Amino acid sequence: GAVVSQHPSWVICKSGTSVKIECRSLDFQATTMFWYRQFPKQSLMLMATSNEGSKATYEQGVEKDKFLINHASLTLSTLTVTSAHPEDSSFYICRVQGQGATEAFFGQGTRLTVV
Amino acid sequence: GQNIDQPTEMTATEGAIVQINCTYQTSGFNGLFWYQQHAGEAPTFLSYNVLDGLEEKGRFSSFLSRSKGYSYLLLKELQMKDSASYLCAVSDSNYQLIWGAGTKLIIKP
Repeated sequence: GAVVSQHPSWVICKSGTSVKIECRSLDFQATTMFWYRQFPKQSLMLMATSNEGSKATYEQGVEKDKFLINHASLTLSTLTVTSAHPEDSSFYICRVQGQGATEAFFGQGTRLTVV
Repeated sequence: GQNIDQPTEMTATEGAIVQINCTYQTSGFNGLFWYQQHAGEAPTFLSYNVLDGLEEKGRFSSFLSRSKGYSYLLLKELQMKDSASYLCAVSDSNYQLIWGAGTKLIIKP
């Protein structure tokens, strides 16, 4: 099956700095990738849908200028958390939609802690 | 609106059987997924149902009734490692995944 690689798996950064998270589809070309955020003891919250070669579609309440998404190739999407604040500390997960509706693969997730 | 409901938490005994229910109301239906998520890790795929009936895969089985908007995940011969959150997700008419809040399953010896 498809393999999705997400990097880094955890990161600690200072408040006000930016952090970039990468999501790579290793086995097939992914025109669409999804970025989720998950706070402790809560479910996955969709942040944005990343489309290759075009602007990402953000969910209501998600600041597009704060969470920059770039999907420049069919195998790589990046999420950059700009000017991070402690409240941005969360578990960020990417998901790749496979070529069939039955396939959905997650990256390993990135634990972001802003101090 | 779109809605997925599942119990917040369940407790079961090692070696026993537990059924986790999921009800949904979505705009369109292109299948229902069950995922397992251990604390601090990404979800892992367990099952996919798009037709009515029971799908069995080892100790785990998943059932779907589209007319009732209902699914359940059945876990048999529970092991301590099965302690995790179980997420129900429905693929809507646009193939977007709508997620439930997850059911935390606690296994006791």
